[in-house]
Amino acid sequence: EAQVTQNPRYLITVTGKKLTVTCSQNMNHEYMSWYRQDPGLGLRQIYYSMNVEVTDKGDVPEGYKVSRKEKRNFPLILESPSPNQTSLYFCASSLVRYASGTEAFFGQGTRLTVV
Amino acid sequence: EDKVVQSPLSLVVHEGDTVTLNCSYEVTNFRSLLWYKQEKKAPTFLFMLTSSGIEKKSGRLSSILDKKELFSILNITATQTGDSAIYLCAVSVSGYALNFGKGTSLLVTP
Repeated sequence: EAQVTQNPRYLITVTGKKLTVTCSQNMNHEYMSWYRQDPGLGLRQIYYSMNVEVTDKGDVPEGYKVSRKEKRNFPLILESPSPNQTSLYFCASSLVRYASGTEAFFGQGTRLTVV
Repeated sequence: EDKVVQSPLSLVVHEGDTVTLNCSYEVTNFRSLLWYKQEKKAPTFLFMLTSSGIEKKSGRLSSILDKKELFSILNITATQTGDSAIYLCAVSVSGYALNFGKGTSLLVTP
């Protein structure tokens, strides 16, 4: 089954304790991205990756890191989480179709609380 | 700066009503406009629109794009409580990245 898998689904952590949220897709998609979703602000892109070893900042990258060592995996790293990073996080992947645009497939989300 | 604006932000209707959700955009290099439905988890894909005036339809849901006036509408007829969700509009400007609107929260009451 084609899917994007995120782990964990829920996480409560303390300020400053490094954490990683994993994301894996089995569709051989080139493009992967991370979003955070906050009430009233919609989905905002954190980082994206066009392919292996190619990553770039989205709209709200501060406090986050990513890596893309393999095509299928795109982990999100919070080196020193702070309470303002409490949010619902989504990983998404898609093919790259320059002419028409393309549908993004989303993971199930990770609800992160930083206390 | 690219902009995607959805209206209304929130809507409450009775079961059986018809609703129209709006999405307007101001972007460079438009490629396509997408609609997603988000219940308590991940957004799920509804439609992708690339051409003006061609209606896409799936059951009670339909959508159309107007590239001259830069907007799209999503219609839901004979609404059911299961239609309660956040509906997201997104525009692709590059062929891969999506710019999302803030969403319309729809509540259908029995």
